[in-house]
Amino acid sequence: KQEVTQIPAALSVPEGENLVLNCSFTDSAIYNLQWFRQDPGKGLTSLLLIQSSQREQTSGRLNASLDKSSGRSTLYIAASQPGDSATYLCAVRVLTGGGNKLTFGTGTQLKVEL
Amino acid sequence: GAGVSQSPRYKVAKRGQDVALRCDPISGHVSLFWYQQALGQGPEFLTYFQNEAQLDKSGLPSDRFFAERPEGSVSTLKIQRTQQEDSAVYLCASSGPRGHQPQHFGDGTRLSIL
Repeated sequence: KQEVTQIPAALSVPEGENLVLNCSFTDSAIYNLQWFRQDPGKGLTSLLLIQSSQREQTSGRLNASLDKSSGRSTLYIAASQPGDSATYLCAVRVLTGGGNKLTFGTGTQLKVEL
Repeated sequence: GAGVSQSPRYKVAKRGQDVALRCDPISGHVSLFWYQQALGQGPEFLTYFQNEAQLDKSGLPSDRFFAERPEGSVSTLKIQRTQQEDSAVYLCASSGPRGHQPQHFGDGTRLSIL
């Protein structure tokens, strides 16, 4: 059974810092990996999607990397801002046995302070 | 609308009542997913549709949970004889037909069972 772990569970940083969020998964037979942001009381906003054949994806101040063989992904946030405060979730997608679902980690709660 | 729409946003029910949660996916998205998110946890997969066909219902926790998508567009998640442990946020997501395409989430329905 695929298990996804995110470290740290919570993180507080001053504005302007660069930071790294970590995600690991137990089964490397993934189709792709997606990073999401979730604000309190809201649904999930997709940030970046990395296909299994890719090593990284970038969008603005965000960069996500994927090392499928070691079961790891990182989300790098440059020059953090208070508006980045949210919970960040990673999820892996598998396409096995006719299934097509995301398996999520428990998230990293980020607070960026002024 | 442009995004995934879920209704109601909040639902309070007494233990033992039946509830129905609705999801309007993004127009043209053939894949539709339901997830359950407990407080402080990542979403957990419930079920998946491709058009009107329910291809995976392995995540439904009991036979009290039932989902349908009769015309391949709007979906309804029904929970019969609700229990307190059913209290959670129920998230709906949709995506295009290919596995490499990202899932887009609605804001969810927060269900509270008294």
